[in-house]
Amino acid sequence: EVQLVETGGGLVQPGGSLRLSCVASGFTFRDSWMSWVRQAPGKGLEWVANIKEDGSERYYVGSVKGRFTISRDNAKNSLYLQVNSLTVDDTAVYYCARDVAHGVFDVWGQGTTVSVSS
Amino acid sequence: DTQMTQSPSTLSAYVGDRVTITCRASQSISNWLAWYQQKRGKAPKLVIQKVSNLESGVPSRFSGSGSGTEFTLTINGLQPDDFATYYCQQYSTSKTFGQGTKVE
Repeated sequence: EVQLVETGGGLVQPGGSLRLSCVASGFTFRDSWMSWVRQAPGKGLEWVANIKEDGSERYYVGSVKGRFTISRDNAKNSLYLQVNSLTVDDTAVYYCARDVAHGVFDVWGQGTTVSVSS
Repeated sequence: DTQMTQSPSTLSAYVGDRVTITCRASQSISNWLAWYQQKRGKAPKLVIQKVSNLESGVPSRFSGSGSGTEFTLTINGLQPDDFATYYCQQYSTSKTFGQGTKVE
């Protein structure tokens, strides 16, 4: 079964940091671009970042550049998102997704919730 | 950035209805458009990619059309399982989603 499982969310104060993780199974992770997509409470979807199969290319949405870092460990079938300098606007469910066809998300995890509040 | 605008934001319909959702791009995205279905508390599910290519397992009552800047998602014969929020997404330049259309 193709599956993505995210962990690492939580409640953090403004300015704080978290590391989100996503473990993949059921497909060849090392052959897949991967993305993080987030959804603020009651809001729509926002693509956050993606990373090439070998980690050599990484792209970010403008609002997180310089604060978030996407990375991967193909030996562990794992994707990561280091989120720093968090603001209340970063409060969201963060989804890990397989990124195919140059930008289509065909497999999604269940999401992990990041809440930024003082 | 390419902005995606969906209409309507909310759509009231009955089982059996034909439902159409429109998505407009702020600039041409050729045919780089996908549609997702999201139910409350769940992750989105890919329904259609490249305007009209139905994902495996998606019922044939779903269809997509359009090109350039205007696109539509049509559900022919709405079923109880189809009540959800639908998002369009462009992947021509980076990736951006529409604001969603809730089918209730």
